[in-house]
Amino acid sequence: GQNIDQPTEMTATEGAIVQINCTYQTSGFNGLFWYQQHAGEAPTFLSYNVLDGLEEKGRFSSFLSRSKGYSYLLLKELQMKDSASYLCAGRQTGANNLFFGTGTRLTVIP
Amino acid sequence: DAGITQSPRHKVTETGTPVTLRCHQTENHRYMYWYRQDPGHGLRLIHYSYGVKDTDKGEVSDGYSVSRSKTEDFLLTLESATSSQTSVYFCAISDGDRASYEQYFGPGTRLTVT
Repeated sequence: GQNIDQPTEMTATEGAIVQINCTYQTSGFNGLFWYQQHAGEAPTFLSYNVLDGLEEKGRFSSFLSRSKGYSYLLLKELQMKDSASYLCAGRQTGANNLFFGTGTRLTVIP
Repeated sequence: DAGITQSPRHKVTETGTPVTLRCHQTENHRYMYWYRQDPGHGLRLIHYSYGVKDTDKGEVSDGYSVSRSKTEDFLLTLESATSSQTSVYFCAISDGDRASYEQYFGPGTRLTVT
């Protein structure tokens, strides 16, 4: 099975950088996903990592260490609209299903 | 945005009544999923489909059934709704031909069972 852990809540200041961590334990691993979900809306896909290292996509970057079972999402130049929940999800080898963590609610303050 | 719609968007029903939620896609994606989202639990997979008439159970399938008679539609049925099934239900799709298999979500259905 899979277990995904991430902090419940975080607060950061507009213009700053924030790192949201995710750790996972799984019997087989085949990719780590990050989604953004604004309150009352559907999750939207942000990033996918299957190999170790950093993937950069504009203000958002995602990092993966398979040996440590660890990932983080890095948000730069925070904007008020980045206030949302950020969901970490893993996929097992041989399956197409995702296992989600409970999400990290990020609040960006002026 | 992927073309996914869900209906109804909101529903209130009584305990013991049957309920069917519909997910419709215009992307011709092979895989379709039903999740529920509850505070403190995150998104949990109920059932998924990997093709027409091909479905399988997810993590929390008890009390739910699904059907997929054509590529674009995936139906979730609560045979006899219970208060514990009050939740927000999301449908998702993914393209099996993409190596990353990222999933795209519909707008959600808020179901209240009284």
